[in-house]
Amino acid sequence: EAQVTQNPRYLITVTGKKLTVTCSQNMNHEYMSWYRQDPGLGLRQIYYSMNVEVTDKGDVPEGYKVSRKEKRNFPLILESPSPNQTSLYFCASSFRADGSLTNEQFFGPGTRLTVL
Amino acid sequence: DQQVKQNSPSLSVQEGRISILNCDYTNSMFDYFLWYKKYPAEGPTFLISISSIKDKNEDGRFTVFLNKSAKHLSLHIVPSQPGDSAVYFCAASGPRGSTLGRLYFGRGTQLTVWP
Repeated sequence: EAQVTQNPRYLITVTGKKLTVTCSQNMNHEYMSWYRQDPGLGLRQIYYSMNVEVTDKGDVPEGYKVSRKEKRNFPLILESPSPNQTSLYFCASSFRADGSLTNEQFFGPGTRLTVL
Repeated sequence: DQQVKQNSPSLSVQEGRISILNCDYTNSMFDYFLWYKKYPAEGPTFLISISSIKDKNEDGRFTVFLNKSAKHLSLHIVPSQPGDSAVYFCAASGPRGSTLGRLYFGRGTQLTVWP
């Protein structure tokens, strides 16, 4: 089954404790992206990756890091989490970055992160 | 500054009636527009899209209209069903390979369809 998986689905942590949210896709997609969803703010892109070893900042990259060492994985790293990073995080993947025909972007189920 | 705007955070419609969700964009370089649907505790899923060379695209109960001169698109759901209750995100992208060649999302509209 074609899918994007994220782990963990739920996480409660404390300020300053480094954490990693994993994302994996099995569709051989080149493009992967991380978003956060906050009430009233919709989906905001954190980082994206056009291909292996190619990453770039989205709209809200501060406080986050990513890496793309393999095509299928795109982990999101919070080196020193803070309460303002409490949010719902989504990983997504597609063949290309743009939204053109047949290039549907698939989303993972989300990770709800709470930073105390 | 938001390039894709959904100015109505919520919409409530009776079952069987038409739901109209609106979206405005600011960048005339956007050439592809999409709607995503999101249920609670799930990731967004693709619903329908339209290229800038068209002004209408229909898929069953869902139709998207694009007015390029007004930089406005809308999603019509007819007839609305309770299962359509979800958050709907409008998204846009620009020419592939350009700085706009990725998805830009609006803030979403919560649609509630009541019996």
